[in-house]
Amino acid sequence: DAGVTQSPTHLIKTRGQQVTLRCSPKSGHDTVSWYQQALGQGPQFIFQYYEEEERQRGNFPDRFSGHQFPNYSSELNVNALLLGDSALYLCASSTGTGTNTGELFFGEGSRLTVL
Amino acid sequence: EDQVTQSPEALRLQEGESSSLNCSYTVSGLRGLFWYRQDPGKGPEFLFTLYSAGEEKEKERLKATLTKKESFLHITAPKPEDSATYLCAVRGSGGYNKLIFGAGTRLAVHP
Repeated sequence: DAGVTQSPTHLIKTRGQQVTLRCSPKSGHDTVSWYQQALGQGPQFIFQYYEEEERQRGNFPDRFSGHQFPNYSSELNVNALLLGDSALYLCASSTGTGTNTGELFFGEGSRLTVL
Repeated sequence: EDQVTQSPEALRLQEGESSSLNCSYTVSGLRGLFWYRQDPGKGPEFLFTLYSAGEEKEKERLKATLTKKESFLHITAPKPEDSATYLCAVRGSGGYNKLIFGAGTRLAVHP
């Protein structure tokens, strides 16, 4: 059983560019959350998607947007990249019950470097 | 504002040397405190959920406890494979769907 898969694993962009990160949730999971983890810090909540809608959002600017598809996979888009956007972007999936218990299944992340 | 502080930032232990990691939190209406383990280059892996003061959970050499202001992750007779970053997170009533993480404790267990 494949767990949460994310792509790409590493990417390098320059300031002002746009990036799209992709996530396929664990089989049977319908909820996808995105987190940003800067070096040496804990993950920070960006937003969560359920039934193709953004259910909750953290303190991130509108440059960060997302989408969930009917097969529950998700994308994270970041526009007008800043140096400070360099981080590990983590996708986490869960079921409705898992969301309530806090048991999230994380992918290995996409490492974004902005030059 | 909901906040999580973990200490120490880093901890070095000899194999078999028991210790505890601390997680202090401030949250409006705790809806769960969570422990995750993160290995280098990997995403966090779920360990425990605690909901109320006095609750305890155990898994192999790990035991998590909860009070009204903090949680402890006790590691008994650790082995080198326990080396990882341990993350604590809380969920409050204001943001039911998001977890607020601390910066983690980097644990190194040497043979």
